[in-house]
Amino acid sequence: EADIYQTPRYLVIGTGKKITLECSQTMGHDKMYWYQQDPGMELHLIHYSYGVNSTEKGDLSSESTVSRIRTEHFPLTLESARPSHTSQYLCASSEWGHSYGYTFGSGTRLTVV
Amino acid sequence: DQQVKQNSPSLSVQEGRISILNCDYTNSMFDYFLWYKKYPAEGPTFLISISSIKDKNEDGRFTVFLNKSAKHLSLHIVPSQPGDSAVYFCAASANRDDKIIFGKGTRLHILP
Repeated sequence: EADIYQTPRYLVIGTGKKITLECSQTMGHDKMYWYQQDPGMELHLIHYSYGVNSTEKGDLSSESTVSRIRTEHFPLTLESARPSHTSQYLCASSEWGHSYGYTFGSGTRLTVV
Repeated sequence: DQQVKQNSPSLSVQEGRISILNCDYTNSMFDYFLWYKKYPAEGPTFLISISSIKDKNEDGRFTVFLNKSAKHLSLHIVPSQPGDSAVYFCAASANRDDKIIFGKGTRLHILP
């Protein structure tokens, strides 16, 4: 079944640690996105990619980085986690001409203590 | 500055009645609008969309209305069911290949 997977679902980590949030999709979508959402707030685009070796920063400045070495894989990395990075991170993918919008993963809820 | 605004953080509606969720936007370049539904601990799921060339799109119990002159759209759910209790996000993009901008969401409670 075509889908988009995010791991881990929940992560509690200490300040200063390096973390990588995984996102993989099986739909062959060229376009992938990372959104950050705090409770009661809008989803903010922090990174996006329109294909392999293509990555761009989104509308919300983020200290995280991303890579797109394979079409299906779009990991997000924080080199040194801080409490301000505590949030929910949502990965999504879409086709060109997204008539049906994005397909989202279940998200990773990150807590930095 | 918010380009997509959902001014009601929450809404409670009796089961079987109509739920109306509202959304305003400021960017006149938006020409494609979407509604997403989100349950706790899950990612948002696409619900319904509308292009700016239309003023109404219907899919089963869900209807989206677009008023371009007022830069306003609304989602109608009728009849409302318990499973409709969720957070609903309004979203927009400048074209079908552009990034989607989301509002803050409205939490809908369907009361028994």
